[in-house]
Amino acid sequence: AQSVTQLDSQVPVFEEAPVELRCNYSSSVSVYLFWYVQYPNQGLQLLLKYLSGSTLVKGINGFEAEFNKSQTSFHLRKPSVHISDTAEYFCAVSDLWFGNEKLTFGTGTRLTIIP
Amino acid sequence: DTGVSQNPRHKITKRGQNVTFRCDPISEHNRLYWYRQTLGQGPEFLTYFQNEAQLEKSRLLSDRFSAERPKGSFSTLEIQRTEQGDSAMYLCASRPRDRPNTEAFFGQGTRLTVV
Repeated sequence: AQSVTQLDSQVPVFEEAPVELRCNYSSSVSVYLFWYVQYPNQGLQLLLKYLSGSTLVKGINGFEAEFNKSQTSFHLRKPSVHISDTAEYFCAVSDLWFGNEKLTFGTGTRLTIIP
Repeated sequence: DTGVSQNPRHKITKRGQNVTFRCDPISEHNRLYWYRQTLGQGPEFLTYFQNEAQLEKSRLLSDRFSAERPKGSFSTLEIQRTEQGDSAMYLCASRPRDRPNTEAFFGQGTRLTVV
C-alpha cells in the first residue's frame, strides 16, 4: 500500500520570499510522483511530475521539486512566491509502472501569500 | 482539446434524494477516473474505467454509489438515498491509454451539498 504525508497543513509566506512544501511518501515499489495545485472551487492542475531520470524536476509557474529516494521525499520549492500562488497544493503518488491506475494523495498544504 | 468537463458544478440536495453527475473526458482518453474530496482532505480514489469497462472500485464506493460509462465516452456517477456524509467535491479525471507516462487530467469537479 502507498501513502503520502504532507507535514504542513498551512504555510504562510511573505510575497517574494522562497517557499518549500514538504512531501514524504511510502511505497514498496517504484513510484511516480506528482504535485497538483487546486485553486478555490476548482479542480486539480498538474504542477510537475517525476517519472524517472533527473531527480530535479521543473514545472509550471516557476515551481520545482527534488526526488530523494533515500529519504522518500519529493519536496516542492519556489524561489520567489507571488500572490497568485495562494492555493492548496497536493502531493500524489502512483505505481503506474506496475499497472496501478489510482493516485494516492496527501492531505494538502494550504499556501497563503502575505503581501 | 477542451479539457475534462463536469456537470453540474454545484448540486444541493435533500437527504434521501438521488443525484447524478456527468463527466465528459478529453476525447480519445480511454481511461476515466472518479475521486471524492471532502473538506480539508486530499482526493480519494473511487473507481476507474478503461473504455466502458469498470476495472476497479474502492471500498469507499458503497452500494448506494454506481458509476457507468456505457459507450466508453462520458461517464455518470449516481448516488442513491444521499446522506449528509456524501457532501463532498466529486472529481473526474481522464488519461490516454497509449501514453503510459502521462498524468491524469482533472475536471473542475461537482460540489455536492446534502442538507
